Amino acid sequence: DAGITQSPRHKVTETGTPVTLRCHQTENHRYMYWYRQDPGHGLRLIHYSYGVKDTDKGEVSDGYSVSRSKTEDFLLTLESATSSQTSVYFCAISLSAYSGNTIYFGEGSWLTVV
Amino acid sequence: QQQVKQSPQSLIVQKGGIPIINCAYENTAFDYFPWYQQFPGKGPALLIAIRPDVSEKKEGRFTISFNKSAKQFSLHIMDSQPGDSATYFCAGSNFGNEKLTFGTGTRLTIIP
Repeated sequence: DAGITQSPRHKVTETGTPVTLRCHQTENHRYMYWYRQDPGHGLRLIHYSYGVKDTDKGEVSDGYSVSRSKTEDFLLTLESATSSQTSVYFCAISLSAYSGNTIYFGEGSWLTVV
Repeated sequence: QQQVKQSPQSLIVQKGGIPIINCAYENTAFDYFPWYQQFPGKGPALLIAIRPDVSEKKEGRFTISFNKSAKQFSLHIMDSQPGDSATYFCAGSNFGNEKLTFGTGTRLTIIP
């Protein structure tokens, strides 16, 4: 497995509370991503980072923010969790931007918002 | 906007059969088409990938067929085994773009 650690792996939280998911990599890869996986929607990109303090939005970024203060860590924050954000969240990393470079996924964080 | 359409949503095949999963893309700038395999409770992992300059690529029992004019590509699994039971995702991206666009996934079950 690629050196990607996601935490927490499972979390149940209440609507309206803030939640932060952490992704830690040991591969020194430049690019880091947060995807969410939902039935019928596949994997959808939330935000990604192309370097320390360099981030950009994906296709489903509303309600999420990210930060990357170190190469190895990429944080995803739900400022005020809603039930529609119940999902499985995957962190991913890749070495470079050029297509053909493999994207490696972490094992996922299961988030339930009640 | 779904740029990669995947079908079927689920598929049940008997051991030894050849499951086929199909994908169609809209973005003609895509030049890299990977397939990812995901087992329950795990993250997706790269299985096989193809570029549009070839029509077919084989790796072991897995084959990608690519039709550039139709903007379609498919995954074939030869001599399928119960251990191949997983969810499969197709994806596309274009050169210099660091993002993959995924299909919605196919849940494959191989029955003994």
